[in-house]
Amino acid sequence: GAGVSQTPSNKVTEKGKYVELRCDPISGHTALYWYRQSLGQGPEFLIYFQGTGAADDSGLPNDRFFAVRPEGSVSTLKIQRTERGDSAVYLCASSTAVNNEQFFGPGTRLTVL
Amino acid sequence: GEDVEQSLFLSVREGDSSVINCTYTDSSSTYLYWYKQEPGAGLQLLTYIFSNMDMKQDQRLTVLLNKKDKHLSLRIADTQTGDSAIYFCAFSGATSGTYKYIFGTGTRLKVLA
Repeated sequence: GAGVSQTPSNKVTEKGKYVELRCDPISGHTALYWYRQSLGQGPEFLIYFQGTGAADDSGLPNDRFFAVRPEGSVSTLKIQRTERGDSAVYLCASSTAVNNEQFFGPGTRLTVL
Repeated sequence: GEDVEQSLFLSVREGDSSVINCTYTDSSSTYLYWYKQEPGAGLQLLTYIFSNMDMKQDQRLTVLLNKKDKHLSLRIADTQTGDSAIYFCAFSGATSGTYKYIFGTGTRLKVLA
């Protein structure tokens, strides 16, 4: 079946602009996670959804970052007033339940010029 | 906070065994994972081990866990050129939350033909 998909695969933007990154989880997966992977680093947790609600957003670096999952399926990560330090690969993962294996998407590479 | 360390690079000849090491600080880790990341692809779960196990073998992969030293290793037998990738250890557990994966910095494995 289809895996986790993320769009766009690449996004180049200018400093100060607003961007949205989309994640389509595996159908039926109730848990959804966002991670950020900077160059040469491992992924870092950003936020976790169980259904429609953000169960833990403690990894969001500041209030410029926000994520939604209005219908409990697709999720959008929103970044306002982008900064060069936001450049990274943003990974999305989903799982059937909170303690189960997380399946990762290919990521969106964000470059802020 | 939690810390997970890995050596950055490993180079082996095709057919040899590879051993990738990982040290961590969170002794409450419940699940410990090994992921593989190839260029342009998402993270692929290779194997995992529960914290109450010392060893797990899965075909060419052997995971060893030394809880006393907080050391996790992944051995790949008969390494092939297709094994060239970045390998991440990760854990989840009581301190981090079972839904939140903490990743190491990754080890880049290069297999020489």
